[in-house]
Amino acid sequence: SAVISQKPSRDICQRGTSLTIQCQVDSQVTMMFWYRQQPGQSLTLIATANQGSEATYESGFVIDKFPISRPNLTFSTLTVSNMSPEDSSIYLCSVEASRGSLSSYNEQFFGPGTRLTVL
Amino acid sequence: GESVGLHLPTLSVQEGDNSIINCAYSNSASDYFIWYKQESGKGPQFIIDIRSNMDKRQGQRVTVLLNKTVKHLSLQIAATQPGDSAVYFCAENIGAGGTSYGKLTFGQGTILTVHP
Repeated sequence: SAVISQKPSRDICQRGTSLTIQCQVDSQVTMMFWYRQQPGQSLTLIATANQGSEATYESGFVIDKFPISRPNLTFSTLTVSNMSPEDSSIYLCSVEASRGSLSSYNEQFFGPGTRLTVL
Repeated sequence: GESVGLHLPTLSVQEGDNSIINCAYSNSASDYFIWYKQESGKGPQFIIDIRSNMDKRQGQRVTVLLNKTVKHLSLQIAATQPGDSAVYFCAENIGAGGTSYGKLTFGQGTILTVHP
């Protein structure tokens, strides 16, 4: 399994500023993802954070708006740049890791999320 | 892109009843389907998964059914408890290969409320 922590857990930011969200995993993982969950809605994948190379962004998300770093196999950051109220969401980090003896398949574990409010 | 689940319905049940949560998917090439539970203020938590070569899988108090003919996935919770109250999401993916899920596409979710 994997235990994921995120910082900050929540923040209230002013329009036009940027916020960097940190994701720390307690074990080395190959695949790490960032999701956005808008109020009352489901999760939407922003990008796959690749260690040692540029992140892979999904349609509708761009690096200038959501720059991502992945300096090693246990840590990643997501920056929400030049924020507007429409960026108010929960941002979730997830990783894929083994379930151990329970299954031969991996499981995607999620962090607790960062609740962002943009005024 | 492909979509999973079209609604955010709500389901209210009495404690002890069985609950059935449904999900429609549109990508016939998906080969993994997963159910997640999300409690307020927390990230989604894995419940159970099923591969496309199966039509039923059982866990502790939960059963997932997959009907590929109509592209339908359901989660059955037996003897529902107040602690089961949460939002339930289905997710799908064309696997990255081997044991990896790769990228997931989430459905809209169902709010389950269990009354004591």
